[in-house]
Amino acid sequence: QKEVEQDPGPLSVPEGAIVSLNCTYSNSAFQYFMWYRQYSRKGPELLMYTYSSGNKEDGRFTAQVDKSSKYISLFIRDSQPSDSATYLCAMRGPNSGYALNFGKGTSLLVTP
Amino acid sequence: EAQVTQNPRYLITVTGKKLTVTCSQNMNHEYMSWYRQDPGLGLRQIYYSMNVEVTDKGDVPEGYKVSRKEKRNFPLILESPSPNQTSLYFCASSFREEAFFGQGTRLTVV
Repeated sequence: QKEVEQDPGPLSVPEGAIVSLNCTYSNSAFQYFMWYRQYSRKGPELLMYTYSSGNKEDGRFTAQVDKSSKYISLFIRDSQPSDSATYLCAMRGPNSGYALNFGKGTSLLVTP
Repeated sequence: EAQVTQNPRYLITVTGKKLTVTCSQNMNHEYMSWYRQDPGLGLRQIYYSMNVEVTDKGDVPEGYKVSRKEKRNFPLILESPSPNQTSLYFCASSFREEAFFGQGTRLTVV
């Protein structure tokens, strides 16, 4: 079983919709949870970062971590066509240096 | 501007012809790494370096070499490329929770 599971989509939503992206993981040692956004032909860029459990909000984006269920989510409110990209979850444990375990990424298309 | 610069962006080569993909960062980060990204497999770490002259294998190191002679540079070397190394490669430079990725190098080995 891969350590991080993420539905690849694609996910297509109309502009203004609320988008929910999710990952599950198997390694209970993971403590640092990140969401990266990758536009076509670009490298991934960090979108949100959460340490341990809880919620974090940044503008239209909310990241949630439920360590008891080994489940993380990214919510996008009022989605825009510019949000169309691939979203990758990533996580690491406390003793893994900076090595990240990535999900395969979910492709999101927001249509006008 | 904080940057990770990879070169070349695109490369087509033949099986067995040695090649080097360069990576340079201007953020004075100690930790650098190489990933490959393949459809259906996601991003997988090839090698990483925690500092100058300190490198170690990631999840998929076979067929690759790296060196870290200077803090800012972390080249990826394919001594004898094979078609299964056709992929999109990313160099990353990290500090705490954030990894900064380069623009990627699309390599095709024929």
